[in-house]
Amino acid sequence: QKEVEQNSGPLSVPEGAIASLNCTYSDRGSQSFFWYRQYSGKSPELIMSIYSNGDKEDGRFTAQLNKASQYVSLLIRDSQPSDSATYLCAVNPQAGTALIFGKGTTLSVSS
Amino acid sequence: EAGVVQSPRYKIIEKKQPVAFWCNPISGHNTLYWYLQNLGQGPELLIRYENEEAVDDSQLPKDRFSAERLKGVDSTLKIQPAELGDSAVYLCASSPRTGIDEQFFGPGTRLTVL
Repeated sequence: QKEVEQNSGPLSVPEGAIASLNCTYSDRGSQSFFWYRQYSGKSPELIMSIYSNGDKEDGRFTAQLNKASQYVSLLIRDSQPSDSATYLCAVNPQAGTALIFGKGTTLSVSS
Repeated sequence: EAGVVQSPRYKIIEKKQPVAFWCNPISGHNTLYWYLQNLGQGPELLIRYENEEAVDDSQLPKDRFSAERLKGVDSTLKIQPAELGDSAVYLCASSPRTGIDEQFFGPGTRLTVL
């Protein structure tokens, strides 16, 4: 059973702080990794993809991947109240197949 | 570029009734997915299409669920008969082609079975 694990939270951070969201996965052969943001009552929105070890930055978001540790994280710098949402980690164990999602981590940014 | 379109957005039915959901993927996207999302959970795959071919339907409860993607564009997911446990959000997603893993979701259909 291929699994993706996330801490459900809630993770609470003050406005302007760095939010750190973590995810582990069970299939060592997984090739691609994604972070989706989901606001309450809305559908998942792709915010980051990462395919190789290391860091990938996009604006205030940084995705980090460590395949040896089977670990992927998302850092949100200068957190804003509008970042309050559930963040879903998704892993593709094999190119061209469906994503396996974690249950999501709820982030709350207080002003 | 228009996103994935789904209809209806909300549906309330009584148990044992049939229901159908429709999805129009992003133009040019060959791969289409139907996911089910329960409250507090991540999306779970029901079926994946490459063009008009269902290449992964191992998680589709075939006794009551069916799907089709005629002409490799629009897709319809049907439940007959619906059960109370089918209440969930049904999400459609698409990606450009095989091997491109980024998937883009539609707004979903929230189904309530009474």
